[in-house]
Amino acid sequence: GAGVSQTPSNKVTEKGKYVELRCDPISGHTALYWYRQSLGQGPEFLIYFQGTGAADDSGLPNDRFFAVRPEGSVSTLKIQRTERGDSAVYLCASSKGGELFFGEGSRLTVL
Amino acid sequence: AQSVTQLDSQVPVFEEAPVELRCNYSSSVSVYLFWYVQYPNQGLQLLLKYLSGSTLVKGINGFEAEFNKSQTSFHLRKPSVHISDTAEYFCAVSPPGGNTPLVFGKGTRLSVIA
Repeated sequence: GAGVSQTPSNKVTEKGKYVELRCDPISGHTALYWYRQSLGQGPEFLIYFQGTGAADDSGLPNDRFFAVRPEGSVSTLKIQRTERGDSAVYLCASSKGGELFFGEGSRLTVL
Repeated sequence: AQSVTQLDSQVPVFEEAPVELRCNYSSSVSVYLFWYVQYPNQGLQLLLKYLSGSTLVKGINGFEAEFNKSQTSFHLRKPSVHISDTAEYFCAVSPPGGNTPLVFGKGTRLSVIA
C-alpha cells in the first residue's frame, strides 16, 4: 500500500497477557518510529529505528516493552505482562529524511 | 530537553470565523517545528513545517503558521474555518537534521460550530 499500515487496528486483551503490534512502513523509508497516545494526550515517543537497529529507545517505559525490525522494513512492538495502564493508541510512523508519515494506529485495551 | 506547550486544550469557533491555535516550545538550540492534524478515527497528517528561511509558513487547507524565535512560538492560524476543520491539532518540535524523534504537545481540539 501507499501509506503506513498498522495491524491490528483494535486489540482487546486481559491484564498479564502478551501483545504484538505490527507496523508496515512506506516502502523505501529507512526510519521507523513508535509512539503511544493516551486519551487526551499528544503522541509520546517510544522508540526509533534507523534501518534494522534501534537508534533511540529512550522512550520505552520499562522492560516489558520491546520492539524489533529484523529486516529493516516491518516492525513489531511487543508488550509483555500487559497492565491496564498500557491501554492507549500505539502509532507508527516512517520517514525518509524529514517528514513523518503516520499510520492510523493500533488501539490497545487492557481489561 | 525540548518540550512543547499548547496553551488551549479546546477551541470552539463559529464557521467562517478566524482561528489561532497557540504553540510555544522550549529549546536551547535551533529547532524544526511542525503542526499535525488528526481527524476523527484517522492518523496524524502533516499540515505544515518550519525548517529554515521565511518565518511565515503556509500549509495545506488554508492554514499558516509563523515562527517567532524571540517568543519561542509557532502559532497556527486560519482566516476562515470550515466545519471540516474540526479535528485535533498537534504542535511538534525536533532538533535540526533528518530522522530525529518529534516531541509533541498535548494537542488542541478545534470544534467548528455551524
